[in-house]
Amino acid sequence: QQPVQSPQAVILREGEDAVINCSSSKALYSVHWYRQKHGEAPVFLMILLKGGEQKGHEKISASFNEKKQQSSLYLTASQLSYSGTYFCGTVTTQGGSEKLVFGKGTKLTVNP
Amino acid sequence: SAVISQKPSRDICQRGTSLTIQCQVDSQVTMMFWYRQQPGQSLTLIATANQGSEATYESGFVIDKFPISRPNLTFSTLTVSNMSPEDSSIYLCSVEDWGNEQFFGPGTRLTVL
Repeated sequence: QQPVQSPQAVILREGEDAVINCSSSKALYSVHWYRQKHGEAPVFLMILLKGGEQKGHEKISASFNEKKQQSSLYLTASQLSYSGTYFCGTVTTQGGSEKLVFGKGTKLTVNP
Repeated sequence: SAVISQKPSRDICQRGTSLTIQCQVDSQVTMMFWYRQQPGQSLTLIATANQGSEATYESGFVIDKFPISRPNLTFSTLTVSNMSPEDSSIYLCSVEDWGNEQFFGPGTRLTVL
């Protein structure tokens, strides 16, 4: 089942903060976050495992609340380079195997 | 992180023909994945390819349409058979490393006329 991301799009000025949410109706094993710039392949940002841990990557951090079956990506003091589409991917088990299912994405635009 | 290359990077094909996309990884990996991404859309998993076993296809994708080979731990191919304009998309391969992180190839942009 595809996770739900919100918002669908967000426009920021350089230096502003943003939060992108990802929720699932299924119990989650882990949550992955990727950023894809136009015309490029998705780039791995971070993975969060069960346990509610928070991870960071530069000024980007994320949390994972397994009880609420959701994760949030926090972008602090955004830079122009943060522009792109952010996808969360959730890992669930199906038929004994794990697979990564991506949300529809959140398009982030950072303007000067 | 793994370095992944794909060939071709793009192609324009006629309806009814087939195209084979190659994916090469610079290190040995157990699991390789093939995704499809239509313009402005999310990534949809086509199949998982493990070396030495048949590929596992997701709902809506069948082996006759998307045959996959995985002859060794660094290489895989995906064939898009009997193409129609609806197959126009970007096809990406990815690999999973020991930390369960997935790394994507640059993608193959396919246009079917």
